[in-house]
Amino acid sequence: ETGVTQTPRHLVMGMTNKKSLKCEQHLGHNAMYWYKQSAKKPLELMFVYSLEERVENNSVPSRFSPECPNSSHLFLHLHTLQPEDSALYLCASSQDFRAGGHDEQFFGPGTRLTVL
Amino acid sequence: AQSVTQPDIHITVSEGASLELRCNYSYGATPYLFWYVQSPGQGLQLLLKYFSGDTLVQGIKGFEAEFKRSQSSFNLRKPSVHWSDAAEYFCAVANMEYGNKLVFGAGTILRVKS
Repeated sequence: ETGVTQTPRHLVMGMTNKKSLKCEQHLGHNAMYWYKQSAKKPLELMFVYSLEERVENNSVPSRFSPECPNSSHLFLHLHTLQPEDSALYLCASSQDFRAGGHDEQFFGPGTRLTVL
Repeated sequence: AQSVTQPDIHITVSEGASLELRCNYSYGATPYLFWYVQSPGQGLQLLLKYFSGDTLVQGIKGFEAEFKRSQSSFNLRKPSVHWSDAAEYFCAVANMEYGNKLVFGAGTILRVKS
C-alpha cells in the first residue's frame, strides 16, 4: 500500500449504531487530518493531529470521536449520528502541521457515509 | 475570517479548448494558495501551489495558475483540455494568522465534451 488509505470506502449505518472509520498513511508523515465533504459545501476541517496529539478541533459534535494511536493511523469513531452527518469523510496527512502552508497535504480516497 | 470563492459551480468546455477556473480569496496579507483536483471516487490531488516569488505557477498535468494580488485572485488555466481533465477542482488558501489551516472553496465541476 502506498499513500493514504481509508476503510471502509462505503458505510451505511443507522442512527443508533456505533462504527469507526480508519485511515492509514504510508508516507512517514507526522500530521493527520479528518475533513468532512458534504454536497455543495466546501470541505470542512474537523480534526488535526500532530505527533499523535490533537491540535485542532473545529467545534465538531461529540458524536464524532477521533483517535490517533500512532503517527500512521487515525480513526474516527461514530456514535448516534444524524442523517445530516451523511457525507464523504476524507483523511489527509502531511509532514509537519506546524510548517504551515509549505506543508502539502496528501488525501485518501474517502469513506462515503450514509446515515439512515 | 478568510474565505475562498469559486464563482462557477459547473463549467463545460470542448476537448482541446482552453480552460480558466476562477478563484478569489478574502484576506489582506499574502496567503498560501493551492489548487486541488478530485476525480470521482478519489481523494484530492494537489495540482499546484503558490507561496511567494513568481506569480505564475506551473503545476502537474499541464496546469498553471496566476496570483494577482490586486484582484485577490488565483485563477487556474490550461491551454488545451483533455477528456481526462473532467473532475472537480478546488481552490484553497492558508495563512499563518489562521494557523496555516487550509480553507477550501466550494469547488468547480469541469465537464469536457468531445
